[in-house]
Amino acid sequence: GQNIDQPTEMTATEGAIVQINCTYQTSGFNGLFWYQQHAGEAPTFLSYNVLDGLEEKGRFSSFLSRSKGYSYLLLKELQMKDSASYLCAVRGGSYIPTFGRGTSLIVHP
Amino acid sequence: EAQVTQNPRYLITVTGKKLTVTCSQNMNHEYMSWYRQDPGLGLRQIYYSMNVEVTDKGDVPEGYKVSRKEKRNFPLILESPSPNQTSLYFCASSWSSSGANVLTFGAGSRLTVL
Repeated sequence: GQNIDQPTEMTATEGAIVQINCTYQTSGFNGLFWYQQHAGEAPTFLSYNVLDGLEEKGRFSSFLSRSKGYSYLLLKELQMKDSASYLCAVRGGSYIPTFGRGTSLIVHP
Repeated sequence: EAQVTQNPRYLITVTGKKLTVTCSQNMNHEYMSWYRQDPGLGLRQIYYSMNVEVTDKGDVPEGYKVSRKEKRNFPLILESPSPNQTSLYFCASSWSSSGANVLTFGAGSRLTVL
């Protein structure tokens, strides 16, 4: 089976930087995804990592360490619209992605 | 527009009354999947399909059925709904289950079973 852990909730200030961590234990590994989900809406894709290292995409970056079973999503220059849930999903040996419980990020002025 | 369409978006029903939530995608995706989302539990996979006529159980398949007779459609069937199936349901699809193929989600179907 797979086990994916993320913090339940985080708060941050507009303009700041926040790091959302995800740790996982899987049988095999075939990629890790981050999705953003605003309240009442569908998840939308943010980033994909399959090799170790940092992937940067504008204000968002995602890091992966396969040996540690660890990833983080880094959000810079936070905006109010970044208030959302952030979902970590890991694709194990079966190639079927499993989602963590999500981290609810609250950005305040 | 490339999209995944679910219907109905909202439904209130009673215990035992069979219902079907439809899901259709217009992107010629091979992989389709159903999830339910409950507070504190995140997205849990119900069933998935790698291609036409190929379906498999996810983590929480009890009380649900699916079929994949055409590539574009993947309906979720609740033969005898119960109150514990009250949830927000998402259908999702991707080109395949491998590589960097990301999931495209439908808008969600909020189901209440009384």
